[in-house]
Amino acid sequence: DIQMTQSPSTLSASVGDRVTITCRASQSISSWLAWYQQKPGKAPKLLIYKASSLESGVPSRFSGSGSGTEFTLTISSLQPDDFATYYCQQYNSYLWTFGQGTKVEIK
Amino acid sequence: EVQLVQSGAEVKKPGESLKISCKGSGYSFTSYWIGWVRQMPGKGLEWMGIIYPGDSDTRYSPSFQGQVTISADKSISTAYLQWSSLKASDTAMYYCARQDSSSPRKIDYWGQGTLVTVSS
Repeated sequence: DIQMTQSPSTLSASVGDRVTITCRASQSISSWLAWYQQKPGKAPKLLIYKASSLESGVPSRFSGSGSGTEFTLTISSLQPDDFATYYCQQYNSYLWTFGQGTKVEIK
Repeated sequence: EVQLVQSGAEVKKPGESLKISCKGSGYSFTSYWIGWVRQMPGKGLEWMGIIYPGDSDTRYSPSFQGQVTISADKSISTAYLQWSSLKASDTAMYYCARQDSSSPRKIDYWGQGTLVTVSS
């Protein structure tokens, strides 16, 4: 099965900072990669799908890139509402794997 | 409006059986896969398995194969996750989510979660 390695596990940043989170797949997943935001006690929220497509209603400061095995989520200017945990997920062939998560904390 | 509504919180004893549900509405239930995800307290997301209600095609994560059973009743637009003998380590929040069967196959709607507590 496909393993997803996400880094860093924790990130301390300030409002206005540019933030980058990386996800690596153990084998090529083409562009079958999604990014989610999760806040405590809530279900994950889809931000990016197909590696770089922005979900409807998600602010444009979120962007995704990559294909094959290397992927990146970028938040161009961190806002107070963005402090949360972020997960990557591969969904090749209707089999899913999540990364370990990245907690974005206030610096 | 698309909704996935999960059954309520459960408190069970070790060894007991349990079946939790996820009811879809506002879309064609048989055209989307339903996946199940576990989140243990303070931990990350773990994929358990997935079912296509249209033909009951079911796939499991190797970590959960044989530990749980996923099923669906398309007549009432409901998917299920069940255990035959719960363990304390099954204590977690469980989420269902739908995946489009056609490109871009995004996983866009999630249930609110069902908290399962297993304690003697």
